[in-house]
Amino acid sequence: DGGITQSPKYLFRKEGQNVTLSCEQNLNHDAMYWYRQDPGQGLRLIYYSQIVNDFQKGDIAEGYSVSREKKESFPLTVTSAQKNPTAFYLCASSLSVAAWLAGGRGEQFFGPGTRLTVL
Amino acid sequence: RKEVEQDPGPFNVPEGATVAFNCTYSNSASQSFFWYRQDCRKEPKLLMSVYSSGNEDGRFTAQLNRASQYISLLIRDSKLSDSATYLCVVSPGDGTYKYIFGTGTRLKVLA
Repeated sequence: DGGITQSPKYLFRKEGQNVTLSCEQNLNHDAMYWYRQDPGQGLRLIYYSQIVNDFQKGDIAEGYSVSREKKESFPLTVTSAQKNPTAFYLCASSLSVAAWLAGGRGEQFFGPGTRLTVL
Repeated sequence: RKEVEQDPGPFNVPEGATVAFNCTYSNSASQSFFWYRQDCRKEPKLLMSVYSSGNEDGRFTAQLNRASQYISLLIRDSKLSDSATYLCVVSPGDGTYKYIFGTGTRLKVLA
């Protein structure tokens, strides 16, 4: 089955610790995204990547880092510099803009999410 | 003004009722519009895409009004299983890969 997987489902971080959230997709999508969702708030974009070995900061990138070494994978590291990391983290993917503009579908598809809690 | 605004609700409706949600957006150049459904503590799942004036899928109808800059979602014959939060998502379609999410409208269908 094609889809997006995230691991772990739950993650607990101690103060001063870096943690890495995994995101893998087998949809052959070029673009991948990381969002953060806090209670009662909309999704906020952390980072996105349009192609392998390239990524851009979103609206709330401070305290986070990413890599995109493979098309299928877009891991997110929450560093100790992120002061309030407790949240629900969602990874998503979509077709490239070129495919979208050529008449493809521009929808994003989401993984099941990772709940991060700071102890 | 927020880029995408939704009434947070909750909308409490009886089973079988028809309910409509509106979503307004500020960027008149926006090209693509979507409705997602999000259950409690789960990921958003695509409900409908709205690429032109609107479309219908079973009990769900989405409409786009570019002049007034809003999209709507109509749910007919509500089921208990429709209880969820409905997210409005707008994309400028300018190649920036940016999707703007509303905070969602919560629907509770009552038996």
